[in-house]
Amino acid sequence: DAGVTQSPTHLIKTRGQQVTLRCSPKSGHDTVSWYQQALGQGPQFIFQYYEEEERQRGNFPDRFSGHQFPNYSSELNVNALLLGDSALYLCASISFRMKEAYEQYFGPGTRLTVT
Amino acid sequence: KQEVTQIPAALSVPEGENLVLNCSFTDSAIYNLQWFRQDPGKGLTSLLLIQSSQREQTSGRLNASLDKSSGRSTLYIAASQPGDSATYLCADSCGQSRSMDSNYQLIWGAGTKLIIKP
Repeated sequence: DAGVTQSPTHLIKTRGQQVTLRCSPKSGHDTVSWYQQALGQGPQFIFQYYEEEERQRGNFPDRFSGHQFPNYSSELNVNALLLGDSALYLCASISFRMKEAYEQYFGPGTRLTVT
Repeated sequence: KQEVTQIPAALSVPEGENLVLNCSFTDSAIYNLQWFRQDPGKGLTSLLLIQSSQREQTSGRLNASLDKSSGRSTLYIAASQPGDSATYLCADSCGQSRSMDSNYQLIWGAGTKLIIKP
């Protein structure tokens, strides 16, 4: 049973550039959430996708956008990168349809460094 | 606005001790509470999930309790081992139901960094 996978594992970008991060949910899961975790802090919720639509959004600017594909995989796009965007980006998946208590499963994360 | 606090921020104990990590939340209207482990530079591993209707969950040497009325959860680790060294985070999901309209995003504490000395 494949867990949540993310790519790439590490990424270095320059201020002003754009980046795309990818996530494949756990097998059988249909909902994907993205979180940003700065060093030494707890994760912050960015947004959540279900049925290819953004359903919930945290307090992040429009530079952060996403997409969910018919196979439930998801992308996180960040435009006009700032130094403060350097963080570990985590993807989590759950199954909304199945009778579960919404236990969230996380991928290994993508470490983004903006220079 | 839900806020989650974890105390202490860091803890260092000798191997073999039993220990308790604390998590408090301001809004008792949570759907569930999860405890996670995070190793340095790594992602998150779910340890235990407690639904709002439950009081505790156990997995091996770990026991997590939930007291909604006082806004607290504790993670008890028995007979600690050096391999337990990691950062432990708690997170709750707010909302009263499983509908997609519910706000069930996770709200996180900053974590407790645990070091178990051999």
